Amino acid sequence: AQSVAQPEDQVNVAEGNPLTVKCTYSVSGNPYLFWYVQYPNRGLQFLLKYITGDNLVKGSYGFEAEFNKSQTSFHLKKPSALVSDSALYFCAVDNTGNQFYFGTGTSLTVIP
Amino acid sequence: DTGVSQNPRHKITKRGQNVTFRCDPISEHNRLYWYRQTLGQGPEFLTYFQNEAQLEKSRLLSDRFSAERPKGSFSTLEIQRTEQGDSAMYLCASRPTGLQRKTDTQYFGPGTRLTVL
Repeated sequence: AQSVAQPEDQVNVAEGNPLTVKCTYSVSGNPYLFWYVQYPNRGLQFLLKYITGDNLVKGSYGFEAEFNKSQTSFHLKKPSALVSDSALYFCAVDNTGNQFYFGTGTSLTVIP
Repeated sequence: DTGVSQNPRHKITKRGQNVTFRCDPISEHNRLYWYRQTLGQGPEFLTYFQNEAQLEKSRLLSDRFSAERPKGSFSTLEIQRTEQGDSAMYLCASRPTGLQRKTDTQYFGPGTRLTVL
């Protein structure tokens, strides 16, 4: 069975500081991993994905994520947080092409 | 705008009424997905279509729920005899399909927020 865990419901970071949003996964076979961001009353916006290759994936808005197979993790990172990054972040896994399994989300607050 | 669109954006209904939501996917995307998101949770898969064929349904999709995609373009999700527990955001997503279907990104619409009184 596929599953995703986001261990932190809430992450607070000061503007300009680096941020990390954690994600661990459990999947049989090769994992295809995704990060989405959701602003209030909006749908999910795609940030980045890992399929294969380089473990460090770069995505939209300066975000990147590091795939770690041994730790089954796919943490989202950004070197310098902006207030506008405050939103809800979801990690998702898919290895069948049929559906995504989402984590419960992490609320990121960037403090000015 | 060529993204995924959903209508209505908000729906308030009384318990026991039927509601129908519409999703228009990105035009060249063959796969269309429905998810449900409740407060404080991630989206949960309901069903998906490959063109007009409904290929998989979650056990979350009770008999009161039905989804169609009659011409392989837009899709509708109907909930009959709504219950208060149906209150949620209903999200639609579409995905291109090709040789690398497993790696394709799902693109989400803005969602329809349902409130059942």
